Amino acid sequence: NAGVTQTPKFQVLKTGQSMTLQCAQDMNHNSMYWYRQDPGMGLRLIYYSASEGTTDKGEVPNGYNVSRLNKREFSLRLESAAPSQTSVYFCASRRTGSYEQYFGPGTRLTVT
Amino acid sequence: AQTVTQSQPEMSVQEAETVTLSCTYDTSESNYYLFWYKQPPSRQMILVIRQEAYKQQNATENRFSVNFQKAAKSFSLKISDSQLGDTAMYFCAFILTVSGTYKYIFGTGTRLKVLA
Repeated sequence: NAGVTQTPKFQVLKTGQSMTLQCAQDMNHNSMYWYRQDPGMGLRLIYYSASEGTTDKGEVPNGYNVSRLNKREFSLRLESAAPSQTSVYFCASRRTGSYEQYFGPGTRLTVT
Repeated sequence: AQTVTQSQPEMSVQEAETVTLSCTYDTSESNYYLFWYKQPPSRQMILVIRQEAYKQQNATENRFSVNFQKAAKSFSLKISDSQLGDTAMYFCAFILTVSGTYKYIFGTGTRLKVLA
């Protein structure tokens, strides 16, 4: 049972480049989340998806887009990366009726 | 505004001793859940313990326990018999219900180092 997986684990981009962070869960969870973690800031919610086919903005959505491709997969796209998007990105999922989130291992993204 | 405050950016404790990490929060909700997550150097977020706000009894998980003071909006984590493997960043978090879904609010974290 892999839980929540994220690819890639590390990525370096130049300013203006685009990329997609992938997230998949094999626990049949309905809700999925994308967070960013910055030093001294804790985890901040970027986007979330309460169910397949729906997505909503979180606390810091600017500069990002998401796609809930199916129940398993929830991707995060940076269309034009900026140095301010240098961060560690976490994906999480949650089963309906439970309060517990399960986190992926994170992606460390550096934008130069 | 809904917020979580962890006022201790860093702490250290000697192996086998007890340490308490503090957390305060602000919400107008009456029913919510509170969590402590551990993030070791591997970056993996691991749930340590959770507390339902409607329960007066403090949650306990092995060496980890909480002191939940609802009126004071305080939710501290006590780690007994500290072990080297407890070295990690610890995040306090609570859950709100927003438009029928759950939204998690995280604190800024406390970095704990257990010393041999």
